[in-house]
Amino acid sequence: KAGVTQTPRYLIKTRGQQVTLSCSPISGHRSVSWYQQTPGQGLQFLFEYFSETQRNKGNFPGRFSGRQFSNSRSEMNVSTLELGDSALYLCASSLTASGQGASGANVLTFGAGSRLTVL
Amino acid sequence: GENVEQHPSTLSVQEGDSAVIKCTYSDSASNYFPWYKQELGKGPQLIIDIRSNVGEKKDQRIAVTLNKTAKHFSLHITETQPEDSAVYFCAAPGNTPLVFGKGTRLSVIA
Repeated sequence: KAGVTQTPRYLIKTRGQQVTLSCSPISGHRSVSWYQQTPGQGLQFLFEYFSETQRNKGNFPGRFSGRQFSNSRSEMNVSTLELGDSALYLCASSLTASGQGASGANVLTFGAGSRLTVL
Repeated sequence: GENVEQHPSTLSVQEGDSAVIKCTYSDSASNYFPWYKQELGKGPQLIIDIRSNVGEKKDQRIAVTLNKTAKHFSLHITETQPEDSAVYFCAAPGNTPLVFGKGTRLSVIA
């Protein structure tokens, strides 16, 4: 069974540019979540998608956006890149959305991440 | 919302010794507590989890304990090996899928 696939794995952009990251969840998983990981802030939640609908959004500016397609694949976009956007962007998939699993819990399987460097 | 605190931030142990990482959470309604291991260049990998209806769970050298009254849970690794060296994260559900602790960098010295 293939895991969560994220592309690209590494990318370098300059300030002001935009970037699109892609995530293919485990087959059968309908929920996709995105997290930003930085050394100082740890893992911070960006968004959660289930059945093409955004269910939750973290405390990030509107430059961060995402979407989910009918095949559950997801993309996130960051526009007008800033130096502080340099981070590892992690995608995680799960069978159900948060709050819908057994005992109201959600088991996440992460991809290897997309490492973004903004110069 | 949920807040998860994790200690220590770094931990060094001799090979063969035990390692303990502790986390506290704020939302008494939380009912699922996973632990993730992240190796260099990889995403976090679930290593063990516990639900609120049990107090302890073991899987070979790894165990997790939960104290719902005190709102804390701990990861115990026995007979540590060099391959246990990694960053470990605890988490709890909040309004988002999971809220993570800041991580513990475990170094096992051979």
